[in-house]
Amino acid sequence: EAGVVQSPRYKIIEKKQPVAFWCNPISGHNTLYWYLQNLGQGPELLIRYENEEAVDDSQLPKDRFSAERLKGVDSTLKIQPAELGDSAVYLCASSLLPSGGNEQFFGPGTRLTVL
Amino acid sequence: GQSLEQPSEVTAVEGAIVQINCTYQTSGFYGLSWYQQHDGGAPTFLSYNALDGLEETGRFSSFLSRSDSYGYLLLQELQMKDSASYFCAVRAGYSGAGSYQLTFGKGTKLSVIP
Repeated sequence: EAGVVQSPRYKIIEKKQPVAFWCNPISGHNTLYWYLQNLGQGPELLIRYENEEAVDDSQLPKDRFSAERLKGVDSTLKIQPAELGDSAVYLCASSLLPSGGNEQFFGPGTRLTVL
Repeated sequence: GQSLEQPSEVTAVEGAIVQINCTYQTSGFYGLSWYQQHDGGAPTFLSYNALDGLEETGRFSSFLSRSDSYGYLLLQELQMKDSASYFCAVRAGYSGAGSYQLTFGKGTKLSVIP
């Protein structure tokens, strides 16, 4: 069974540029999460989807961040415009059970560097 | 909100036993999870405790005391490949959009030395 797939793995951009990250969750997992992880810190939830509905986006900086999950499968996270402080690893995760369940499966992440 | 405390670094000898503690403050507590993350890798699930007591999975065990808001991860027969960061994560919330949110601690970097 394939795991959570993310692309790109690495992205370097200049500040004020837009950037997008893509995630394909494990087949059959209806719940999808986007996390941000800074160096030496734990993952922090940005947004959680149940199918195509964003059920928790309270931590998403909506002035510059947006996300979508069309058809309830793949998801895209966008930043526009990027700022220096956005440099971090963006992790996507999915779970089988609704509302988180007990186990989340993480992708390898996209390491974003904003210059 | 939630807050979690765990040691930032732990060093242990190969073959030994190490315990990583986690204390938390939260409302609407459901359970405590542990995740392992190697440098540059994805976090991977290790265990979940919803009830008081010890859960054992191979060389790894996890303990929870709900009354003390405390848990720990116990790693036995340490191997070099166990060198990684270990995160405790609280599952908490209330019914509604914020239910069952998973909040991670800052992680404990475990170094296993020969």
